[in-house]
This record gives sequence, structure tokens and C-alpha cells, in this order.
Amino acid sequence: ELKVEQNPLFLSMQEGKNYTIYCNYSTTSDRLYWYRQDPGKSLESLFVLLSNGAVKQEGRLMASLDTKARLSTLHITAAVHDLSATYFCAVDAGRYGGATNKLIFGTGTLLAVQP
Amino acid sequence: DTAVSQTPKYLVTQMGNDKSIKCEQNLGHDTMYWYKQDSKKFLKIMFSYNNKELIINETVPNRFSPKSPDKAHLNLHINSLELGDSAVYFCASSSYSVDTQYFGPGTRLTVL
Repeated sequence: ELKVEQNPLFLSMQEGKNYTIYCNYSTTSDRLYWYRQDPGKSLESLFVLLSNGAVKQEGRLMASLDTKARLSTLHITAAVHDLSATYFCAVDAGRYGGATNKLIFGTGTLLAVQP
Repeated sequence: DTAVSQTPKYLVTQMGNDKSIKCEQNLGHDTMYWYKQDSKKFLKIMFSYNNKELIINETVPNRFSPKSPDKAHLNLHINSLELGDSAVYFCASSSYSVDTQYFGPGTRLTVL
């Protein structure tokens, strides 16, 4: 059964600093998604990573996928307060390139950016 | 303009009651989903429908019954509500291929 773990669960960082959130998963998959959730709000799609070595960047966020290590990272560069939110990774439970659209979500990382 | 909408936004009810949550998407997607987010923010898929056909049916009490009248709508009916059903329920939609899933605003269900 696919398990998805994120760390850290909580991250308090200062504005201007860099940090990385890690997403590990337990079985083969090459489809990984990152979402952002603000308090009391819905989930907003950030990145879709569909192959080994995929790297996507948007503003101060960059996501990468290493399917061999079963690891994705979400790197935050020069954090600003507006990035404060909970970040989720989600992995498609399909194996060997087959999509099932059954997403298994990580535990979430609550990011608090302090001025 | 709303892509994925849900009604109601809040639902407060007594144990033992039956309630429904409705979801509609105007993105032209063929697949819709129900997720449950508990008080610790853990998100778990419950069901998915593709073109009105049930595709994913996770281990969920049979008090929960989804229904898809057409590919733009997916409803969730819950019988005999229990305290543990209190959560935020999210509807989502996507194309069945590799597309990302787009989430609705959520329905916060509180069972008293």
C-alpha cells in the first residue's frame, strides 16, 4: 500500500531564507502533485511532476521529482510572508506509468514565514 | 466563473440525521472525486466517478453513497450521521488522463 510522508510537518522560517520540504513515498509511481492550502480554504494546484528528473519552477517555489529515490522536494527561495500556508504533496497510486487518478496525500507541511 | 462549486459551504446537524452535499464543475472534466479532510488536515480520497461510472470506492462506511447524475455533477449522501463524520468534504474534478485535480471550496460538516 502506498504511503506518503512529508517532512517537516511544521516549518517556521524567516523572510528571505531558503528551505526545502521533502516528500517521500513508499511504492513506485512517477506522478506527483504539489498543492497549497490556505487556512479555511480549498487546495490550489502548484505543480504536476510526471517523470523522473522533472523540475518545475514558479516564482519562489521549485519542485523536483526523483522517482528512483521516491522523493520529491519543494524548495522555497527567499521566503516571503505570502508563502505561509500548508503544502501537500500527493502521489498517484498507479505503478509503472499507469495513472489511476487515485491520489494519496502526504501529511502536509505547515509553513509559517516570519517577518 | 466558479470552476468547481459545492453546496452547502457549512452544514451543522444532529447525530442520526441524513444529509447531502452537492458538487458541480464547469471545466468539462470527465472525472469527479470526493475527499475527506479531518481535523488534523489529513486528506483521504473516498470516491471517484468517470463519466457517471464509479471508479474509486475506498473503504468508507456504506452510510456514504455518492451519486453522479451526469459528468458535471457529483453528490454525496450521508445516512445516519455520526460524530466522527465531522470533517471538511472536498469535491474535485479532472480529466481522466494526467491532468491535475481541481478542488472545490469544501463543505464543513459538523455533527452534534
